[in-house]
Amino acid sequence: QLQLQESGPGLVKPSETLSLTCTVSGGSISGSTYYWGWIRQPPEKGLEWLGSIYHSGSTYYNPSLKSRVTVSVDTSQNQFSLRLTYVTAADTAVYYCARHRSVLTVDFDYWGQGALVAVSS
Amino acid sequence: QSALTQPRSVSGSPGQSVTISCTGTSSDVGGYNYVSWYQQHPGKTPKLMIYDVIKRPSGVPDRFSGSKSGNTASLTISGLQADDEADYYCCSYAGSSTHVVFGGGTKLTVL
Repeated sequence: QLQLQESGPGLVKPSETLSLTCTVSGGSISGSTYYWGWIRQPPEKGLEWLGSIYHSGSTYYNPSLKSRVTVSVDTSQNQFSLRLTYVTAADTAVYYCARHRSVLTVDFDYWGQGALVAVSS
Repeated sequence: QSALTQPRSVSGSPGQSVTISCTGTSSDVGGYNYVSWYQQHPGKTPKLMIYDVIKRPSGVPDRFSGSKSGNTASLTISGLQADDEADYYCCSYAGSSTHVVFGGGTKLTVL
């Protein structure tokens, strides 16, 4: 059974960089044809896609955040990561990692449990 | 403001059917057959219910169905059950620049 698990600091100071890692178990990132993405949900609000990556390193991002978001992959550790720079209180959210079939499809079928990240001094 | 427009709330009685709409543009919902729907219970992770407009993942009851007409996609839930009470989000592919957009979410209340 495929499982995804987010990890990283739960508190980040304003203007600093948010970093999260998603560890995949029960399946191989490099051995699959799936894409791996990050989605966030501010408290009491809706979902927002941040970016996705393929095991080759090919990435694509939400254009509204593109200048601040970086998604990377470490196939040797079966992990992929999110970096969000210059954070503000508006970046406070639950951050999810999830899998989807391709660049075109928006079928996020496996999700991590989510990591709450608060931005506060 | 979300890219896709959903009603804030819908409601129905047990056994009834409800339909949740998701309105976009020809650049997203209307332009591609890549619309998905997610169910999210309070404090839980979103669950994929429909993908590619009409397909159901294994394990999702056939009471859940998807459709699309023009720039509007719809999720219909028939034979409403208490456990269907949740937030529902639509999602669409939006082209090679924007890629992925979500709706603002709809709260379904089972009366």
